[in-house]
Amino acid sequence: ETGVTQTPRHLVMGMTNKKSLKCEQHLGHNAMYWYKQSAKKPLELMFVYNFKEQTENNSVPSRFSPECPNSSHLFLHLHTLQPEDSALYLCASSATGVADYGYTFGSGTRLTVV
Amino acid sequence: DAKTTQPNSMESNEEEPVHLPCNHSTISGTDYIHWYRQLPSQGPEYVIHGLTSNVNNRMASLAIAEDRKSSTLILHRATLRDAAVYYCILRDVRRAGNQFYFGTGTSLTVIP
Repeated sequence: ETGVTQTPRHLVMGMTNKKSLKCEQHLGHNAMYWYKQSAKKPLELMFVYNFKEQTENNSVPSRFSPECPNSSHLFLHLHTLQPEDSALYLCASSATGVADYGYTFGSGTRLTVV
Repeated sequence: DAKTTQPNSMESNEEEPVHLPCNHSTISGTDYIHWYRQLPSQGPEYVIHGLTSNVNNRMASLAIAEDRKSSTLILHRATLRDAAVYYCILRDVRRAGNQFYFGTGTSLTVIP
């Protein structure tokens, strides 16, 4: 257990479904991140939240909709996905400030779009 | 952002030391060198980081070249549990919006 919990661990959804991924941390961190990792590819940063405010969106399609209701929780709402969106979705959190804090990652949600 | 170059893959025998190299010739003076590893079906986990001096922790050692253009992650005795993809990443926390951007890393195979 890393301190960052992601649910569900596995998700299979149809292209017309709506689902949500959840991420939770109780490490006292105030920054949270969504990454996507497709097969045989590097991790891609999707969204960044600092103190509940979205500070970065790396040209992610609108079928992915993040939500950060507080500094401990992060959601990724999914709708009308495509098969190429099948991937491992990873959440991470970190402290922020002048020191160089590392990231703590969750174990990810393995998403399959059928 | 300054880039890093790592070999795609390496092999090591179990209980032998492993030296994982990383080149970062365009590193700036305020870039920290971070190492993460990702075990199969897991998220990446922090291994070690440093700025100029060599660093040691319970997992590994980080040797940084004097000119900082390269670094080496040292696993002192490889175990089968060390088989993972190892990422070397540069990060300047003082630059706004400078997050962790992962490359393809080095896939380490540990041979029993």
